[in-house]
Amino acid sequence: DGGITQSPKYLFRKEGQNVTLSCEQNLNHDAMYWYRQDPGQGLRLIYYSQIVNDFQKGDIAEGYSVSREKKESFPLTVTSAQKNPTAFYLCASTIGNQPQHFGDGTRLSIL
Amino acid sequence: AQTVTQSQPEMSVQEAETVTLSCTYDTSESDYYLFWYKQPPSRQMILVIRQEAYKQQNATENRFSVNFQKAAKSFSLKISDSQLGDAAMYFCAYRSAWGNKLVFGAGTILRVKS
Repeated sequence: DGGITQSPKYLFRKEGQNVTLSCEQNLNHDAMYWYRQDPGQGLRLIYYSQIVNDFQKGDIAEGYSVSREKKESFPLTVTSAQKNPTAFYLCASTIGNQPQHFGDGTRLSIL
Repeated sequence: AQTVTQSQPEMSVQEAETVTLSCTYDTSESDYYLFWYKQPPSRQMILVIRQEAYKQQNATENRFSVNFQKAAKSFSLKISDSQLGDAAMYFCAYRSAWGNKLVFGAGTILRVKS
């Protein structure tokens, strides 16, 4: 079955450490997105990519970085510059005018 | 920039009853899409219903329907015959017809009482 796979499901970060969240899709979607979800808030866009080797900042890109070397993959790195990284992270993808399809998310916590 | 507002942080409904969740949005565009997503405790985001702004007819998916008022920029979700499995966080979202970024509201927690 086609879908989006996010890994790991839970991730812990130490002070000063960079961590990378994985997002892989086999839906042949062109566009991919990373969102952050905090308690009591909706999803906020971190980065998005419309095509391979191209990506744009969303509303809260500071402290994060991404790459899009393959159509299927859009990893998100949470750098040490992100001072409040504890959140639930969701990856999504879409093609054309289709609604976005979401992965199951990664919960990141600070040790 | 577009904004989406969900003014009800929490709602409760008795099983088998009907409940309406509110959503308003702000945009200067005339062509766009509106969505309702459901997020159960598993945190998965599930598309409930979608509305194209150029369509006057309100979208319906089984027990879920919307009341789309374009002039008022209002997009409410009605859930009929509520079931325990409907308990979740519901998000309203906006997308321009010229892009595919989603703008989300803060969400409404729906509790279903048996």
